Amino acid sequence: ETGVTQTPRHLVMGMTNKKSLKCEQHLGHNAMYWYKQSAKKPLELMFVYNFKEQTENNSVPSRFSPECPNSSHLFLHLHTLQPEDSALYLCASSQRAGLAGGESTDTQYFGPGTRLTVL
Amino acid sequence: AQSVAQPEDQVNVAEGNPLTVKCTYSVSGNPYLFWYVQYPNRGLQFLLKYITGDNLVKGSYGFEAEFNKSQTSFHLKKPSALVSDSALYFCAVRDTRGPGGSQGNLIFGKGTKLSVKP
Repeated sequence: ETGVTQTPRHLVMGMTNKKSLKCEQHLGHNAMYWYKQSAKKPLELMFVYNFKEQTENNSVPSRFSPECPNSSHLFLHLHTLQPEDSALYLCASSQRAGLAGGESTDTQYFGPGTRLTVL
Repeated sequence: AQSVAQPEDQVNVAEGNPLTVKCTYSVSGNPYLFWYVQYPNRGLQFLLKYITGDNLVKGSYGFEAEFNKSQTSFHLKKPSALVSDSALYFCAVRDTRGPGGSQGNLIFGKGTKLSVKP
């Protein structure tokens, strides 16, 4: 709907499972983000990738492992999650200024999210 | 500290009436300000932004926002609300801390639920 797709849209997993969330952006952006949105809590920034390099990890537990193989794809690998990890996981992308400068709008475009339930 | 405040958890408006969703910010330097809307079980959709220039910014779906530097506010407005405008609205400001690091990230408010009744 916005040029950013996420799969799967819904995921139910047990605490011992390993699963991965996938995000793909078709906007030609160079930065990608993972957010966690829980009920009645502010949007939490988890990870930022800028030119495929991780530039931010907001004290996210190691049971969440991001991967950014190229500027169009972003994964979030999940293992041994806890029930409190149940949330809507949102991916976003934006165009950041390059190393040589240039215009950056920093407008982030979001995917539809993956609704994760951990049993 | 850089922050965004949305003082209202919920705003209730009758269809056809004007609506305002409030946002105030605290940031060093010139602010880049954004509004997003989220419908149930969907991602956030970009509505509008203020970077520089005219203090009144027009965006999608008939929404507009007014940048007020002296009051450090960026309230979202619409002259005539629709039932379909009912959603969660987020204000955000660009993080200016830098160089590198968190600069360019967006700091989001906690969101305001807008309910428009027929």
